[in-house]
Amino acid sequence: EVQLVQSGAEVKKPGESLKISCQVSGYSFTSEWIAWVRQMPGKGLEWMGIIYPGDSDRRYSPSFQGQVTISVAKSTSTAYLQWNSLKASDTAIYYCARSYNLAFDSWGQGTLVTVSS
Amino acid sequence: QSALTQPASVSGSPGQSVTISCTGTSSDVGAYNYVSWYRQYPGKAPKLIIYDVSQRPSGVSDRFSGSKSGNTASLTISGLQAEDEAYYHCSSYAGGNPFERLFGGGTKLTVL
Repeated sequence: EVQLVQSGAEVKKPGESLKISCQVSGYSFTSEWIAWVRQMPGKGLEWMGIIYPGDSDRRYSPSFQGQVTISVAKSTSTAYLQWNSLKASDTAIYYCARSYNLAFDSWGQGTLVTVSS
Repeated sequence: QSALTQPASVSGSPGQSVTISCTGTSSDVGAYNYVSWYRQYPGKAPKLIIYDVSQRPSGVSDRFSGSKSGNTASLTISGLQAEDEAYYHCSSYAGGNPFERLFGGGTKLTVL
């Protein structure tokens, strides 16, 4: 069974850094792209970027380029989403999802990130 | 690229059919047969219910069907059931950046 298990909710202050994770099981981690998707409170989904764990090739949405960093650790089958300096507007639920045949066929449970002073 | 356009809400009675539209442009929805649909219950992660415009993943009910005409894709749910009440999101391959995906704003389906 394909599973994507994300790290728990975070509460941070503006300007702080953060790295959230997405651990994968049930398939070959290095063979499928993993995407990150943002959902702001009461809003729709937004594609942030995507990474191929096999060689760490990564692509970002223009809206998120330079704002976040996507990475992986092959040894633990884990994908990461990282911020160097959080803003209040980063408050959202963040999902990781496996990209398969240009659709997202498996999703993590989501990580709620709250940024507040 | 702009997000895809979906109605904010639709409703239907049990047993009826409802259709949710997803409008893009000739550069995304109209250009590629890579439209997917996701169902999301409040507080839960999205789940894939349609991919490649009209294909259903294994285990998804055949009450869900997808289609596309020009720049507009549609999700039809037939034989509405109470459990269908949820948010529905469409997504399309956007071309350009080879991996970019666009999403719609989501549609709240209410079963009356």
